Amino acid sequence: AQSVTQPDIHITVSEGASLELRCNYSYGATPYLFWYVQSPGQGLQLLLKYFSGDTLVQGIKGFEAEFKRSQSSFNLRKPSVHWSDAAEYFCAVGAGGNKLVFGAGTILRVKS
Amino acid sequence: NAGVTQTPKFQVLKTGQSMTLQCAQDMNHNSMYWYRQDPGMGLRLIYYSASEGTTDKGEVPNGYNVSRLNKREFSLRLESAAPSQTSVYFCASRAWASEGETQYFGPGTRLLVL
Repeated sequence: AQSVTQPDIHITVSEGASLELRCNYSYGATPYLFWYVQSPGQGLQLLLKYFSGDTLVQGIKGFEAEFKRSQSSFNLRKPSVHWSDAAEYFCAVGAGGNKLVFGAGTILRVKS
Repeated sequence: NAGVTQTPKFQVLKTGQSMTLQCAQDMNHNSMYWYRQDPGMGLRLIYYSASEGTTDKGEVPNGYNVSRLNKREFSLRLESAAPSQTSVYFCASRAWASEGETQYFGPGTRLLVL
């Protein structure tokens, strides 16, 4: 069965520092991969997705992610974090049959 | 273009009461979904509807029923609410294009069952 692991429940970074959020997936075929962000009390917003082609994908708000098939990973990165990036981040894999499987999420805190 | 809308935003129920959560999308998407979100567990799929007239169970369907009323609307019903159904419920609809698929989410319904 498909699964997504986000190893870090919480991450705290200083404003202006770089960020990497980890995501590992389990899926038998070529995956569709997604990162969503959820601000407190809000719904989920798509940051970026990998469907095919270039393994480094660019998203909104200055985020990027790299698909590494050999490591079954799709880590999210940002070179310089802003206080407004504090939120919860979810990685998801397209599980076939129109479905997504989500990781448990990583809560990002930004120190000023 | 409102995207995906959900009503109500908040609800408090007593154990055993019933209620229906409403969801509508104006993007002409075929597929719609209901998820629940619980702390530390991410989002789990309750039911989905691949197209008008069809519904299928997801990962956690027990205690819920759904209706795909038309292409725009997909409702979730709790017939006899239980405290374990205290959660945040999200509706989503799915777009498919040459660059891949995307699910668009509503703002959520926060449900407390006492």
